[in-house]
Amino acid sequence: AQKITQTQPGMFVQEKEAVTLDCTYDTSDPSYGLFWYKQPSSGEMIFLIYQGSYDQQNATEGRYSLNFQKARKSANLVISASQLGDSAMYFCAIYSYNTDKLIFGTGTRLQVFP
Amino acid sequence: EADIYQTPRYLVIGTGKKITLECSQTMGHDKMYWYQQDPGMELHLIHYSYGVNSTEKGDLSSESTVSRIRTEHFPLTLESARPSHTSQYLCASSEVGTDTQYFGPGTRLTVL
Repeated sequence: AQKITQTQPGMFVQEKEAVTLDCTYDTSDPSYGLFWYKQPSSGEMIFLIYQGSYDQQNATEGRYSLNFQKARKSANLVISASQLGDSAMYFCAIYSYNTDKLIFGTGTRLQVFP
Repeated sequence: EADIYQTPRYLVIGTGKKITLECSQTMGHDKMYWYQQDPGMELHLIHYSYGVNSTEKGDLSSESTVSRIRTEHFPLTLESARPSHTSQYLCASSEVGTDTQYFGPGTRLTVL
């Protein structure tokens, strides 16, 4: 079985600063994918970034980067130069190639202040 | 970027009514999913489909049913809505052979 743990229920960051959202996972699958999604107050889930378990390099997408530490089973999201529009819930998720299912964590609410 | 649509966005309805939540995607994705999410909580998979005439129950037990008669359409039906069904319902789709799921805007259902 797969499990995602997000220990930060809420985070605050000042505009233009960087912030790290923590995510640890547990899986017995040899191959898996890790995802981060953003959910604004409007409710939609927006795909941000993906990291495959066999990828050697950390994934980056614009201001988002994924700090992947396989031995520690962590997949933290780093947002550089925070913007007010980054205020939202952020969900980490793990995809199992065995079950073809996506398992989500409980989320972290990020608030960016001026 | 995915084009996946859900209607209605918001629905307030009385107990005992039959409701259908619509989900459509225009990417030709074979795989589609329904998730249920209570406010501020994680998403739970309730139904999924690998293609036309394929439907499976997810990890969270749900009284809802789904159908997949057309590739692009994956509606969810509740025969008799109850207050315990109050939640947000999110539809997603992905291509076979890929693991990235793209989500629709969600339907916020309130059953009085």
